[in-house]
Amino acid sequence: GAVVSQHPSWVICKSGTSVKIECRSLDFQATTMFWYRQFPKQSLMLMATSNEGSKATYEQGVEKDKFLINHASLTLSTLTVTSAHPEDSSFYICSARDWEISNPEAFFGQGTRLTVV
Amino acid sequence: AQSVAQPEDQVNVAEGNPLTVKCTYSVSGNPYLFWYVQYPNRGLQFLLKYITGDNLVKGSYGFEAEFNKSQTSFHLKKPSALVSDSALYFCAAYSGAGSYQLTFGKGTKLSVIP
Repeated sequence: GAVVSQHPSWVICKSGTSVKIECRSLDFQATTMFWYRQFPKQSLMLMATSNEGSKATYEQGVEKDKFLINHASLTLSTLTVTSAHPEDSSFYICSARDWEISNPEAFFGQGTRLTVV
Repeated sequence: AQSVAQPEDQVNVAEGNPLTVKCTYSVSGNPYLFWYVQYPNRGLQFLLKYITGDNLVKGSYGFEAEFNKSQTSFHLKKPSALVSDSALYFCAAYSGAGSYQLTFGKGTKLSVIP
């Protein structure tokens, strides 16, 4: 199957700093990527839909100025957590779908464990 | 609105016994159904999917799932559980090929006891 690479796999940062997480589709083009947040022992919560060449679509309750999404190419989307605080500590996962084929399977990155201290 | 329900937060099963992880769905149109597995601090790994065709779907690592339209269910099964199957399992659904947003169940933690 297709591969989605997410980097870094874990990061520790100080309060007030910004952190960038990258999500790459390695062997297919992804016009749309999705960013999820997962709290301990809970399901994935969709944060936003990242659209190549246009603004991201954020889910209700997600601060777009806090979680900046850029989808500058067909294979790369980035999520920047700005002015991070301890409550932003979480597991962030991206996914992408290969729209060129009829297979609607979504492929997921490895996830990024963010810890804000 | 579409929804996916996993009624059990946790399933415990003895090694070697058959396992079942339950999932029911509510979507408009024809459902596209998936099972994913997640190990600690990792992303989701694809196990199997139902798009159309045979109701019994076989997937990775010996897992299978049965699509039951009348009961709107898509339970995950394995004939003989392994300790290494212990993980978090998610059922997910699209409502047809045109839908782009995957809806997840809340997840079921499977523990296989040696």
